[in-house]
Amino acid sequence: LAKTTQPISMDSYEGQEVNITCSHNNIATNDYITWYQQFPSQGPRFIIQGYKTKVTNEVASLFIPADRKSSTLSLPRVSLSDTAVYYCLVGDNGNNRLAFGKGNQVVVIP
Amino acid sequence: DAGITQSPRHKVTETGTPVTLRCHQTENHRYMYWYRQDPGHGLRLIHYSYGVKDTDKGEVSDGYSVSRSKTEDFLLTLESATSSQTSVYFCAISDGNTIYFGEGSWLTVV
Repeated sequence: LAKTTQPISMDSYEGQEVNITCSHNNIATNDYITWYQQFPSQGPRFIIQGYKTKVTNEVASLFIPADRKSSTLSLPRVSLSDTAVYYCLVGDNGNNRLAFGKGNQVVVIP
Repeated sequence: DAGITQSPRHKVTETGTPVTLRCHQTENHRYMYWYRQDPGHGLRLIHYSYGVKDTDKGEVSDGYSVSRSKTEDFLLTLESATSSQTSVYFCAISDGNTIYFGEGSWLTVV
């Protein structure tokens, strides 16, 4: 299993772009990178998934460099409601033993 | 939201009693998981299933057993609950690509 490392926490002001990094040095060829968002007292929610380069959806962008040993989740113009824990997960499609790290607590400040 | 229902959502039980948590899905996904989440530990995989009657252990399986007799149901049993099993338990399902989580079951062992 590819292990992931993320900063424990970070603060950001409302309206700013937030970039959250994740290191996954032993990522395997078949592994995808998936990000989840979790609010207090709720289950994690899928945000975005990618394999290489850049992926964008209506919520976020995911940047993956050529060596794929790290990834960056970018949240444009965050609001207070984006305060949550963000998890980076690495695994191949069909990998049944997907392990989560401790996540990154993002706090958006007014 | 993915069709995942966890029951009970909240339970208080005494040490030494058996407890069963149920996860029900309406998505017909092959893979199902049980995670626990505790402060400072993030999400930790307890057991997972890759099909009916096919299950395997995760990283924190001691004290837990699971059963999957139907595609839609995945049961987590604590044979003799201990205070260390006080936690939030999340069920998750996957089609082999993305994991979807339930809303959690809060278990308190007194």
